[in-house]
Amino acid sequence: ETGVTQTPRHLVMGMTNKKSLKCEQHLGHNAMYWYKQSAKKPLELMFVYSLEERVENNSVPSRFSPECPNSSHLFLHLHTLQPEDSALYLCASSQRRTQDEQFFGPGTRLTVL
Amino acid sequence: QKEVEQNSGPLSVPEGAIASLNCTYSDRGSQSFFWYRQYSGKSPELIMFIYSNGDKEDGRFTAQLNKASQYVSLLIRDSQPSDSATYLCAVRPLSSNTGKLIFGQGTTLQVKP
Repeated sequence: ETGVTQTPRHLVMGMTNKKSLKCEQHLGHNAMYWYKQSAKKPLELMFVYSLEERVENNSVPSRFSPECPNSSHLFLHLHTLQPEDSALYLCASSQRRTQDEQFFGPGTRLTVL
Repeated sequence: QKEVEQNSGPLSVPEGAIASLNCTYSDRGSQSFFWYRQYSGKSPELIMFIYSNGDKEDGRFTAQLNKASQYVSLLIRDSQPSDSATYLCAVRPLSSNTGKLIFGQGTTLQVKP
């Protein structure tokens, strides 16, 4: 595997379910990001991790819970989501948190019923 | 005022023409500027970044930055149908030390054969 990978690629869940999104980067980067992309809206930063430490939480509701066990892996735990949370969730990584070039994974298309 | 503004388009150009994509930003202190290309159903792909006023060329792509006017553009020469995609402008605010990027809504480019 190369670059940034995400699983699952598609996810359908009910509002009472608990699920997790996984991201893995194979680039040796130290910073990882979660973004949300909704229809007709700009790509929106959710969380930033640098060396496994959360350095940015962009006012994200607590029903989204990130986890970064090491610099290669990033998770987004989901619980009691709302239909308006349906979106494409993108993971990205960069060499350092202040290193500007961010490289994106393929995304997880989430549908909340 | 939106932090990063782009005309959503679609911008339609004939094959072989020059496509000009524009972006304005509100944070005068912003230092780093990026253009991403996103094909339908795919994740964003970094095309170019620019930090200094003036032009930066890479193959058929030229990024132009004018900090005084808070304006950044992307020119695509000899446009091809394969260039048809949504182009996202992203800006790193001066206040951010976490790698945070602010994205515009994107401009959809259609290159007609």
